[in-house]
Amino acid sequence: AAGVIQSPRHLIKEKRETATLKCYPIPRHDTVYWYQQGPGQDPQFLISFYEKMQSDKGSIPDRFSAQQFSDYHSELNMSSLELGDSALYFCASSTPRGSNEQFFGPGTRLTVL
Amino acid sequence: KNEVEQSPQNLTAQEGEFITINCSYSVGISALHWLQQHPGGGIVSLFMLSSGKKKHGRLIATINIQEKHSSLHITASHPRDSAVYICAVRRGGSQGNLIFGKGTKLSVKP
Repeated sequence: AAGVIQSPRHLIKEKRETATLKCYPIPRHDTVYWYQQGPGQDPQFLISFYEKMQSDKGSIPDRFSAQQFSDYHSELNMSSLELGDSALYFCASSTPRGSNEQFFGPGTRLTVL
Repeated sequence: KNEVEQSPQNLTAQEGEFITINCSYSVGISALHWLQQHPGGGIVSLFMLSSGKKKHGRLIATINIQEKHSSLHITASHPRDSAVYICAVRRGGSQGNLIFGKGTKLSVKP
């Protein structure tokens, strides 16, 4: 069965650079969640989208933005990267609106040097 | 105080042992998830519970809504069960995002 796809799987950037992470939800899933897991930390909710609209916002820095497109894939844009942004970024999808189980992607490991 | 507390933080067991991981939460929830995270980092959803008990293979998850407590049991543990097990809750009335516990690192020795 199709799962949540994230790309890239690994990304290395320098401080002050920008990065774009992509998430492709399971087909027919209309809700996407982004989570950030720092080294040795539990995942923290960043932002979520339902039907291409932002549905909830967590601890997402102002330097980050995200959107969901017409094909339901989502992109997390990160600017002015800092060393502390180094983390595993997970995307999860579910359907319908938050009432069902969330399925996680494999994550994108971002390293900021 | 964290809204989701797990115990123990670390657990070492011998192959074949029965394992229990506990999760307590302090908020009203609409669902509770048990997740498994392997050293490579990927997260796999094991169970989603809103009441009662679920079983999948050697894994059993229970939840007591009144006591705000859930347990994950692993019967006949195996070294391949070694992973971090995370309890996560969806706050009642929220848009669905999860609040995670700190995880329990399980190591099963052969």
